Amino acid sequence: KNQVEQSPQSLIILEGKNCTLQCNYTVSPFSNLRWYKQDTGRGPVSLTIMTFSENTKSNGRYTATLDADTKQSSLHITASQLSDSASYICVVSKRTNAGKSTFGDGTTLTVKP
Amino acid sequence: NAGVTQTPKFQVLKTGQSMTLQCAQDMNHEYMSWYRQDPGMGLRLIHYSVGAGITDQGEVPNGYNVSRSTTEDFPLRLLSAAPSQTSVYFCASTLTGTSVHEQYFGPGTRLTVT
Repeated sequence: KNQVEQSPQSLIILEGKNCTLQCNYTVSPFSNLRWYKQDTGRGPVSLTIMTFSENTKSNGRYTATLDADTKQSSLHITASQLSDSASYICVVSKRTNAGKSTFGDGTTLTVKP
Repeated sequence: NAGVTQTPKFQVLKTGQSMTLQCAQDMNHEYMSWYRQDPGMGLRLIHYSVGAGITDQGEVPNGYNVSRSTTEDFPLRLLSAAPSQTSVYFCASTLTGTSVHEQYFGPGTRLTVT
């Protein structure tokens, strides 16, 4: 069964600190991996999208990495802000079915002052 | 562009009632999908459509119907609401035809069934 596993389930950090979220997947054949940010009560918003040939992609203070050989991805947040408090969701798509993605359960990040 | 819009934002139903959750997108995306998100859990796919006139079941389709008469609209119907359908429902549209599949989500409909 295609799966996407995220860790940790939740994380609390102080404002200004860095953190790294993990995503392991077994989805195959791989098409792309996306990281989303979901604020409480809102729909997910795309942060980064990576295909097989990409191993790093940045979006401001967010940097995602992908190791397609080990089927692992990470999302690194630099100099965290209170507004980074949200759920971060890893999503992987199969090459054989463009839009039928597999979602992780998310990591809930809380940034405290 | 408005992106993906959903109505209503909130809804309370009694067990056995039926209703339709509306979803519309103005990006001319062929692929649209419905998800439900229960507290502390990830999004689960209910139904999806690869284009007008074509729909298919996702991971948790029971109790829901969909239709896709136009590219823009993808309504989700609850036939006979049950408390187990209390959840937040998200509609999404996907840009396909490229190597990446950018997925755009609506703001969600929070449904409570009593």
